[in-house]
Amino acid sequence: EDQVTQSPEALRLQEGESSSLNCSYTVSGLRGLFWYRQDPGKGPEFLFTLYSAGEEKEKERLKATLTKKESFLHITAPKPEDSATYLCAGQIQGAQKLVFGQGTRLTINP
Amino acid sequence: DTGVSQNPRHKITKRGQNVTFRCDPISEHNRLYWYRQTLGQGPEFLTYFQNEAQLEKSRLLSDRFSAERPKGSFSTLEIQRTEQGDSAMYLCASLGTGGNEKLFFGSGTQLSVL
Repeated sequence: EDQVTQSPEALRLQEGESSSLNCSYTVSGLRGLFWYRQDPGKGPEFLFTLYSAGEEKEKERLKATLTKKESFLHITAPKPEDSATYLCAGQIQGAQKLVFGQGTRLTINP
Repeated sequence: DTGVSQNPRHKITKRGQNVTFRCDPISEHNRLYWYRQTLGQGPEFLTYFQNEAQLEKSRLLSDRFSAERPKGSFSTLEIQRTEQGDSAMYLCASLGTGGNEKLFFGSGTQLSVL
């Protein structure tokens, strides 16, 4: 069964304290690995898509990387406004749906 | 680009009642998706439309759920004979043509079944 698992479930950091979120996947024929940010009461907001192992993408304080079995979302010198739930999702070859992980709830304390 | 619009934002209903949600995608987007999200979980795929055709449907979608997209524009999701387990956030997302797989989500409809 296609599955996406994120860890940790929750992470609390001090402002400026860098860390990484993990997304491991067992998907038969991965077409793409997606990262989203979700604020309370809102829909997910697109961050990155990664298509092949070794690929990296960056946006402000965030960098996403992909290996053959997992993806990491690195957060460098985070600020309180980076507090949100971060979701990763895999898209299977030949299918339209995304299979989401349960998310990592990130809190950045000032 | 006015984004994906969903109505209502909140719906409270009694068990056994029928409810209908509406989604207006970004105007030029031909692909439309419905997802369901419960507290502390990631979104779970329900169904997918390309234009007016419903091309994918989750095995988890019971017969009480039906979705339509007449004329390939807005979409509706109806739940008949609601149950307490149907309480969740129902999210709509849309995607345009071409190689850009950036899925735009609406803010969702929060359903509470009492």
